[in-house]
Order: sequence, then structure tokens, then C-alpha cells
Amino acid sequence: EDQVTQSPEALRLQEGESSSLNCSYTVSGLRGLFWYRQDPGKGPEFLFTLYSAGEEKEKERLKATLTKKESFLHITAPKPEDSATYLCAVQAGTAGNMLTFGGGTRLMVKP
Amino acid sequence: KAGVTQTPRYLIKTRGQQVTLSCSPISGHRSVSWYQQTPGQGLQFLFEYFSETQRNKGNFPGRFSGRQFSNSRSEMNVSTLELGDSALYLCASAVQGNTGELFFGEGSRLTVL
Repeated sequence: EDQVTQSPEALRLQEGESSSLNCSYTVSGLRGLFWYRQDPGKGPEFLFTLYSAGEEKEKERLKATLTKKESFLHITAPKPEDSATYLCAVQAGTAGNMLTFGGGTRLMVKP
Repeated sequence: KAGVTQTPRYLIKTRGQQVTLSCSPISGHRSVSWYQQTPGQGLQFLFEYFSETQRNKGNFPGRFSGRQFSNSRSEMNVSTLELGDSALYLCASAVQGNTGELFFGEGSRLTVL
């Protein structure tokens, strides 16, 4: 059974204080690992797809990396508008668009 | 470009009733997936439809069902509602089959009393 575990569950940062979110996973035949952002009252918003160990993707203050067992979402010099829940998900090889999500990390950035 | 539209946004039902939720995907998107989100279990996959065919089904009882129409619009139905069915039901669409890059709607929040 595919499993995704995210840590920490919640993270408080001061504006400008860089940090990383962790996503560890077990999956049968990884097709892709995804990061989504979810704001309160909204549906998740796609951020990144990573396909193989060693791959990195960047977008503004966010950088996602992937190893064979985990992924990290690095947040550099965060701003209050980066406050959201960040979700990690995996897609198995034959799963169509069926994603297995982790529980998420709730990030709060204080000015 | 319009996003994924879900209706209704909020609804309240009582145990034993049934409910139908609707989802209009982004124009041109042929894949529609449904997810249940609760504080305790997080986001859990319900089912996916592609070109009117159910392609995947999650680990939910048979009370949960869905369908997709020829215009890609989708509906899901939950019969004999239980208190534990209270959740945010999210619909997501994708351009084609297997990218995993999903565009989510804002969800339908169901409360079962």
C-alpha cells in the first residue's frame, strides 16, 4: 500500500526565516511525486512534479527536491503570503490520476 | 479560462439521506477525479473518470458512486449518509490521462446531522 508521511505537521516561521518541509514515501513504482499548496477554503493548487531521484524544481521562493525515499520543499526567505498548507502526493505507475496524499504541513509565516 | 466548478458549495443532510454533488471540469479536460478531505484522514481518493469510464476507484464503500457525462461533467452520489461522511468533497480535472497535475475546484462541504 502506498504511503506518504509529511513532517512537521505545523511550522511557524518569521518572515525571512528559511526552512524545509519533509515528505517521506513508500510506493510501488513511482510515476511522480507532487507538491500542492492549499489555502483555507480553497482546493489544492499544483506546484511541482518530480519524477526521479536527484531532480529539483524551483518556483519563486520554493524549491522541491527528490530522493529515493523522500522529498523536501525548501522555502527561502518566506513571506506571510507563503502561509498555507503544503501537501505532498505520490502517483504509482499504473494509477492514472489517482494520487496518495500526505497529511500536509501547515505553514504560518509571521511578519 | 474558467476553473473547476463544483455545486453546491455547502449542504446539510441528515443520516440516511442521499446526496448528489456536481463538477464541471475545465474546458477541454477529460479526466475528472473526486477526493474526500477530512481533518482526521486528510485527502483520500474516491474515483477517477476518463472519457465516461471509471478508471480507478479508491477504498470506499459502495454507497459512494459516480459517473461522467459525454461533456466531461461529473457527478458523485453518496447514499444512506452516515455521520462520518461529513467532509469536503473535492473534484479535480486534468487535461489528459496520467500527468497527476490536477486542477481542483473549491469543493462541496457536506455536513451530515
